[in-house]
Amino acid sequence: TQLLEQSPQFLSIQEGENLTVYCNSSSVFSSLQWYRQEPGEGPVLLVTVVTGGEVKKLKRLTFQFGDARKDSSLHITAAQPGDTGLYLCAGARNNNDMRFGAGTRLTVKP
Amino acid sequence: SQTIHQWPATLVQPVGSPLSLECTVEGTSNPNLYWYRQAAGRGLQLLFYSVGIGQISSEVPQNLSASRPQDRQFILSSKKLLLSDSGFYLCAWSIGAGVVNEQFFGPGTRLTVL
Repeated sequence: TQLLEQSPQFLSIQEGENLTVYCNSSSVFSSLQWYRQEPGEGPVLLVTVVTGGEVKKLKRLTFQFGDARKDSSLHITAAQPGDTGLYLCAGARNNNDMRFGAGTRLTVKP
Repeated sequence: SQTIHQWPATLVQPVGSPLSLECTVEGTSNPNLYWYRQAAGRGLQLLFYSVGIGQISSEVPQNLSASRPQDRQFILSSKKLLLSDSGFYLCAWSIGAGVVNEQFFGPGTRLTVL
């Protein structure tokens, strides 16, 4: 079983729609990262959240860390085809113990 | 700025053959280094990590091994590949200090074992 559960596994939407993907765990993390990965490339770091309840915004992307630091969400407003990719969350329990979820594959159709 | 390189980009190898994948980092000193394997379109499985030269920690028992002969060089090896070793191999680095463990990934190596 995955330490971090991401949902949904797959999401296909039309350009302009809003969406939220989730990253849940029963473990507490010292920090949590979100990455986006294009096919055939390495994941690219989008954001790191550290404080329980923290909200970070990156243009149309809003990231929230749960109050108990066990879960996180990523909300995208007015999705664009360029947002298509695999979104991975990763939780760090200490400096060398970071675990990745299985990812949400997002497809935004023009 | 820091950059991370991996080679080769793609590799097709027969079962039973040896493997050597290389990863190098530029622009930083004493990084933590990581090897991950990713099944098609899925999450990352941590294979090895290293906090310094000659220091290797293994996460998953397998027929793979890792070595760190220099501060910014990390090598993934196998003496005899299995079909199940096919996958996308990613190297990553982090600064190795503090609470936040942000990892930065290389472009990956696509390995197909036939």
